[in-house]
Amino acid sequence: EDQVTQSPEALRLQEGESSSLNCSYTVSGLRGLFWYRQDPGKGPEFLFTLYSAGEEKEKERLKATLTKKESFLHITAPKPEDSATYLCAVQAESGGYNKLIFGAGTRLAVHP
Amino acid sequence: DAGITQSPRHKVTETGTPVTLRCHQTENHRYMYWYRQDPGHGLRLIHYSYGVKDTDKGEVSDGYSVSRSKTEDFLLTLESATSSQTSVYFCATASGAHYGYTFGSGTRLTVV
Repeated sequence: EDQVTQSPEALRLQEGESSSLNCSYTVSGLRGLFWYRQDPGKGPEFLFTLYSAGEEKEKERLKATLTKKESFLHITAPKPEDSATYLCAVQAESGGYNKLIFGAGTRLAVHP
Repeated sequence: DAGITQSPRHKVTETGTPVTLRCHQTENHRYMYWYRQDPGHGLRLIHYSYGVKDTDKGEVSDGYSVSRSKTEDFLLTLESATSSQTSVYFCATASGAHYGYTFGSGTRLTVV
């Protein structure tokens, strides 16, 4: 069964304290791995897509990496405005029609 | 997101009543999806559409039906609402089979 697990469930950081969020997955053939950011009361907002092991993408203080079993979202020198829930999702070959399977998310709180 | 409108934004309904949620897009995207989001479960796929009048079930489709009579509208109906269907419902669209989703702002549904 295709599955996505994110850790930790919640993370509290001081402003400027770098860290990483983990997304491990078990899928029958990965077509793509997606990262989203979700603010309270809003829909998820697309951040990155990764397609193959070794691929990396960057946007401001965020950097996403992908291996054959997991992805990391690295946050460098975070600011309070980076506080949000970060969601990971995978598209599997067996999924068909671009169906994404989401993890439960990591709630990130960055304090001044 | 300006291209996807979900209505209503909030709704309280009684157990046993039918409820219809609407998703309207101006992106002309082929693929549309309905997800529900619950604490600890992340986003779970209810139904999806890969074209006008072409729909299929997701992982949590029991008690839900959908219709798509034109590209821009995707309706989700709870045939007889139950308390277990209290959730936040998100609509999403995608332009192609390997593209990330664009999400609406969500509908918070409470069944009492």
